[in-house]
Amino acid sequence: QKEVEQDPGPLSVPEGAIVSLNCTYSNSAFQYFMWYRQYSRKGPELLMYTYSSGNKEDGRFTAQVDKSSKYISLFIRDSQPSDSATYLCAMRSGSYIPTFGRGTSLIVHP
Amino acid sequence: DTGVSQNPRHKITKRGQNVTFRCDPISEHNRLYWYRQTLGQGPEFLTYFQNEAQLEKSRLLSDRFSAERPKGSFSTLEIQRTEQGDSAMYLCASSPGGTGEGSGYTFGSGTRLTVV
Repeated sequence: QKEVEQDPGPLSVPEGAIVSLNCTYSNSAFQYFMWYRQYSRKGPELLMYTYSSGNKEDGRFTAQVDKSSKYISLFIRDSQPSDSATYLCAMRSGSYIPTFGRGTSLIVHP
Repeated sequence: DTGVSQNPRHKITKRGQNVTFRCDPISEHNRLYWYRQTLGQGPEFLTYFQNEAQLEKSRLLSDRFSAERPKGSFSTLEIQRTEQGDSAMYLCASSPGGTGEGSGYTFGSGTRLTVV
């Protein structure tokens, strides 16, 4: 079992839908949680960074962390075709090196 | 500063040849990381520098791989005697450390290596 599990998708939604992306993990030492967006043939771009449990909102994006369930989520409201990309979750303990999920491919169709 | 810069963007090489990639981090970042990403997978950690010191290496980094950061600025990743299994995107990231560590973790656009 990998430390970080993420469904690769693809997840296809209509424009304007609310998107829910999720990761589960097994290492209880993880305390920093990140979501990255990666367009084809580009490097990952940091979207959200959270510490410990709770919610964080930034524009159309909301990140949730439930450490008791070892489960994190990213919600995208009013999804746009430009949101079509691969979304990677990542997490780390006190070390500087994050562990990444394999990414979920999101397709938002007009 | 335009972010983390990686060169070349693409490299095609014959099996058995040596290749070298370069990464220029964000100038005030003292930490630099190398990752490898294959199709349909997330980035896998290879190695990490703090300034010029190489502090950690993954077991993925075989003897054919070597990385340097001679003056604590740019870094190079060399692969000797390339194999077809080395075909991947090689990503570099840098971070400032301290309180800015998490939010400042920035990737370059990567070098795509194809070994034929």
